[in-house]
Amino acid sequence: QKEVEQNSGPLSVPEGAIASLNCTYSDRVSQSFFWYRQYSGKSPELIMSIYSNGDKEDGRFTAQLNKASQYVSLLIRDSQPSDSATYLCAVNGRGTGRRALTFGSGTRLQVQP
Amino acid sequence: SAVISQKPSRDICQRGTSLTIQCQVDSQVTMMFWYRQQPGQSLTLIATANQGSEATYESGFVIDKFPISRPNLTFSTLTVSNMSPEDSSIYLCSVGTGQGAWNTEAFFGQGTRLTVV
Repeated sequence: QKEVEQNSGPLSVPEGAIASLNCTYSDRVSQSFFWYRQYSGKSPELIMSIYSNGDKEDGRFTAQLNKASQYVSLLIRDSQPSDSATYLCAVNGRGTGRRALTFGSGTRLQVQP
Repeated sequence: SAVISQKPSRDICQRGTSLTIQCQVDSQVTMMFWYRQQPGQSLTLIATANQGSEATYESGFVIDKFPISRPNLTFSTLTVSNMSPEDSSIYLCSVGTGQGAWNTEAFFGQGTRLTVV
C-alpha cells in the first residue's frame, strides 16, 4: 500500500465549477497535511496546509481533513483555466520519524474554458 | 517563506560524468532535503541534508551515488555521480519550516532538469 494515494486523473471540470481532489494516507499517526500545486515544468508550490480535523478555507480553496478515515481533500471553487495543474497531496513522516514530507503521485486537473 | 536558489536550472551531461547541484537559501533553515522527480512521476525523497554531519539517505539511494554536502544552514549541494540515462530527472532542493517537530511546511527551489545522454 502506498503511503499517500491520489487518483491520477485527469480530472476535467468546466470553468466556474467546483473541483474536488481527494487523497488517502496510510500512516495513522500523521498529523500535518499539505496540498501543493505544480504547473508543468515548474516546482511544487504550497497552497494549503491543514493540521486539525474539519475544514480550512483560504480564498477559493478549502482543505478538508478526516483523520479517522485517513482522508484529506481539496476543493477549488469557481475553477479557472489557470487552476489547470497537477495537485500533490503531502503528509508528514511522523510515523517513520522522517521530517521530510511524503508526496502522493498527484492528480492532474484540467479546467475547461 | 524562504527564497531558494538552485543551480544549474538544467544541464545535459555525458554518461559516466558527475554533476553538482547547488542550493542556496536566503535565511538559515534547520531542514534541507533533496528530492527527485522523474518524468510524469511524483517526488521521491533522496536524502535529508544535515548540517555538519553526513546526510540521511532513503532506501534505494546511497552516498557514493548521491554525495551531499551541507556546510552551513543556508547552503547544500547534491552530486549525481557516474551518471547514466536512468538518472535523467528533475532534482529539487527543499527547505522545511514550521513550528513543532511534525508541522513542517516544505518549499522548493526551481529545480534542476538533468538529461544524461
